Amino acid sequence: DAKTTQPPSMDCAEGRAANLPCNHSTISGNEYVYWYRQIHSQGPQYIIHGLKNNETNEMASLIITEDRKSSTLILPHATLRDTAVYYCIVRPDNYGQNFVFGPGTRLSVLP
Amino acid sequence: GAVVSQHPSRVICKSGTSVKIECRSLDFQATTMFWYRQFPKQSLMLMATSNEGSKATYEQGVEKDKFLINHASLTLSTLTVTSAHPEDSSFYICSARDPGGNTEAFFGQGTRLTVV
Repeated sequence: DAKTTQPPSMDCAEGRAANLPCNHSTISGNEYVYWYRQIHSQGPQYIIHGLKNNETNEMASLIITEDRKSSTLILPHATLRDTAVYYCIVRPDNYGQNFVFGPGTRLSVLP
Repeated sequence: GAVVSQHPSRVICKSGTSVKIECRSLDFQATTMFWYRQFPKQSLMLMATSNEGSKATYEQGVEKDKFLINHASLTLSTLTVTSAHPEDSSFYICSARDPGGNTEAFFGQGTRLTVV
């Protein structure tokens, strides 16, 4: 079972920041927080991951609370192409372990 | 980043026939690959873990004789849906992780199977 809870859907205006929350109150000390997104009829695309520090890359920023029980994915300037289902996944750094997907958040970027 | 490629992206087959889906890691070797299935408006569900040189591990409720997995090389895993039925119509997705890279996994483009 997924160890995270996310809102089922969110809307965001084009050009504005999209802030997607994720609760992972039972996260263990060795588990990372990963974010993926899935655009319709495509495989999931890796966005970003972190352990306890905030992370930023060319796609997004990841803010993890100090107690690590929740996190927020930030898309700084959402475009229509960012419309997708966003999945927050917690998982230890174990090569042989799969990723468990919950229902995710369906983000709709509106013109 | 690392790339995982699936083929075909879309296939239509008749009931009772078999369909093979390929998953390749293009720039790394993967001793483990994962196969997922996704029904419309649902999330990805793990079907099986494919291990190079040994038998695949199937999740509960997934028939190993129906979904044959072969991981004969470090860059290729195949999923064969045998004696396909309309209820096998789904989106099949594979993933793999570069053991020499970071901790994230990479996913194939997915294969849309329609059984008629």
